[in-house]
Amino acid sequence: NAGVTQTPKFRVLKTGQSMTLLCAQDMNHEYMYWYRQDPGMGLRLIHYSVGEGTTAKGEVPDGYNVSRLKKQNFLLGLESAAPSQTSVYFCASSYRPDEGTDTQYFGPGTRLTVL
Amino acid sequence: QKEVEQDPGPLSVPEGAIVSLNCTYSNSAFQYFMWYRQYSRKGPELLMYTYSSGNKEDGRFTAQVDKSSKYISLFIRDSQPSDSATYLCATRYSSASKIIFGSGTRLSIRP
Repeated sequence: NAGVTQTPKFRVLKTGQSMTLLCAQDMNHEYMYWYRQDPGMGLRLIHYSVGEGTTAKGEVPDGYNVSRLKKQNFLLGLESAAPSQTSVYFCASSYRPDEGTDTQYFGPGTRLTVL
Repeated sequence: QKEVEQDPGPLSVPEGAIVSLNCTYSNSAFQYFMWYRQYSRKGPELLMYTYSSGNKEDGRFTAQVDKSSKYISLFIRDSQPSDSATYLCATRYSSASKIIFGSGTRLSIRP
């Protein structure tokens, strides 16, 4: 099993450009999450999905959109990138958080720089 | 005020030492407490998961929660260079609510 994979690993954008980050998991997990990690801020939840076809806002959703057309994939889009979106983005998935001690499995991250 | 506070470090100790990592949290409604380990340029991985107060031991690692003082601790015995990583504490209200992460403590074990 590959677990959670993310593409691309690195990306440099200019202000105003758009891009899509792809997350894929092969564990048949229901829940998927997008986080951003910034120095001194910890991990902050951007958007999440509780199943195929569903999405919901997290703590810092502004400037991002997401889609979950297939259970195994969760896409994060930046329509018009801003320097404040320079960060490391992590995708995570979990089986069912309402069943006992849920574990979130994280991908390796995407390092995004917006100039 | 952040909901979970964590000293960013860095913390550097010699191999074999006992390491103590700590967090404080603000809301007494938090019920679940976690420690994640994150190696450089990697994603976090779950290390320990505890519910409510008390201790939980797993090999060289012990997680401790003191709800009366809103204090979370992780102890590492016989520390190894391979333990060098950033450790993030985390908490949540219920098993289905979002996870709130601390900012992480960078730990270095000197051979």
